[in-house]
Amino acid sequence: NAGVTQTPKFQVLKTGQSMTLQCAQDMNHEYMSWYRQDPGMGLRLIHYSVGAGITDQGEVPNGYNVSRSTTEDFPLRLLSAAPSQTSVYFCASSRDPGGQPQHFGDGTRLSIL
Amino acid sequence: AQSVTQLDSQVPVFEEAPVELRCNYSSSVSVYLFWYVQYPNQGLQLLLKYLSGSTLVKGINGFEAEFNKSQTSFHLRKPSVHISDTAEYFCAVSANYGGSQGNLIFGKGTKLSVKP
Repeated sequence: NAGVTQTPKFQVLKTGQSMTLQCAQDMNHEYMSWYRQDPGMGLRLIHYSVGAGITDQGEVPNGYNVSRSTTEDFPLRLLSAAPSQTSVYFCASSRDPGGQPQHFGDGTRLSIL
Repeated sequence: AQSVTQLDSQVPVFEEAPVELRCNYSSSVSVYLFWYVQYPNQGLQLLLKYLSGSTLVKGINGFEAEFNKSQTSFHLRKPSVHISDTAEYFCAVSANYGGSQGNLIFGKGTKLSVKP
């Protein structure tokens, strides 16, 4: 099993550009989530999904969109990139959001110039 | 809502010394508690978790943590650290709604630096 796979690993964007961060898991997990990690801030939840077709906002959703058309995939879209979105982004999955441990991808390092 | 406070942002220790990383949480409902470790340029790995039962929880790599409900704490301990334990450690909490669980809320992290 590959676990949680994130692509790309690194990306540089210009302000105003759009892009999609990909996340795929092969564990048939219902729950998937996106976090951003900034120095001294820990991980903050952006969006999450409890199953295909169901998404909801986390703590810091502004500037990001998600969709969940299949159980396996949970892409994160930046509509118009801003320097404040420079961060490391992690995707995670689990059988449920709290009681079960979450499996994390290796992250995407995103820089917005 | 839940919140997590990791009291130390950085903890330097010498190899083979004991270490305690402190974590306090706030919640109006029952909680699940977790410690994750992040090595440089990697994702997070689960060290240990408290769901219910015994308040002393043992995890991987010789780490353990004790859930103290009265003090709302979940401190992480290791009796003798190794250079390879150098990493950032995150405490996390999720609400236990008695059948459904809330999202995971993370603390800001503690960087453990083990020196020879």
